[in-house]
Amino acid sequence: SQQGEEDPQALSIQEGENATMNCSYKTSINNLQWYRQNSGRGLVHLILIRSNEREKHSGRLRVTLDTSKKSSSLLITASRAADTASYFCATDAGNDYKLSFGAGTTVTVRA
Amino acid sequence: NAGVTQTPKFRVLKTGQSMTLLCAQDMNHEYMYWYRQDPGMGLRLIHYSVGEGTTAKGEVPDGYNVSRLKKQNFLLGLESAAPSQTSVYFCASSYPRAPYTFGSGTRLTVV
Repeated sequence: SQQGEEDPQALSIQEGENATMNCSYKTSINNLQWYRQNSGRGLVHLILIRSNEREKHSGRLRVTLDTSKKSSSLLITASRAADTASYFCATDAGNDYKLSFGAGTTVTVRA
Repeated sequence: NAGVTQTPKFRVLKTGQSMTLLCAQDMNHEYMYWYRQDPGMGLRLIHYSVGEGTTAKGEVPDGYNVSRLKKQNFLLGLESAAPSQTSVYFCASSYPRAPYTFGSGTRLTVV
């Protein structure tokens, strides 16, 4: 079963606006990662946040992690048309390193 | 360019036929993975390997076999294809607890 669940399933915003998506998971984790997938392509890693971290930044991306609520959020600031993609959270839980992916959030940035 | 290469990119099989998907990585990664992606379901782990000569079952292993005879290659086999195996297959590789690098995918249709 999937560990992470993203919310919302789809998001449409105007260029320049911020986009926020959330991920909830079920069990304790070692780390949580966010990936982007452009249509018809493979997934690309965006950011990794460890279980003892609360916030990380990378360029226009900001990720938060609340282990007490078993949730994470990804914020994309000042969105661009090129940010149009599906975004997935993935959790690393357990001894073997294997990621469990959610169903993803599809983000459309309108010009 | 360094990365993960999947072959073939597209394939149409008849029910009952067999095929092998090849994944090759040139980053000296220990871990390799096979996922399938279906609409609305995110990525589901089929099999994975934590090192040369080792394999393990993931979330949806039935109907698939794998082999990792060389560190850089991870093969996914379908012995008797079924329409339910129509999907997009992604290979990924990584160091332990590090972000994945994904291939560009294989789109398989079983008729």
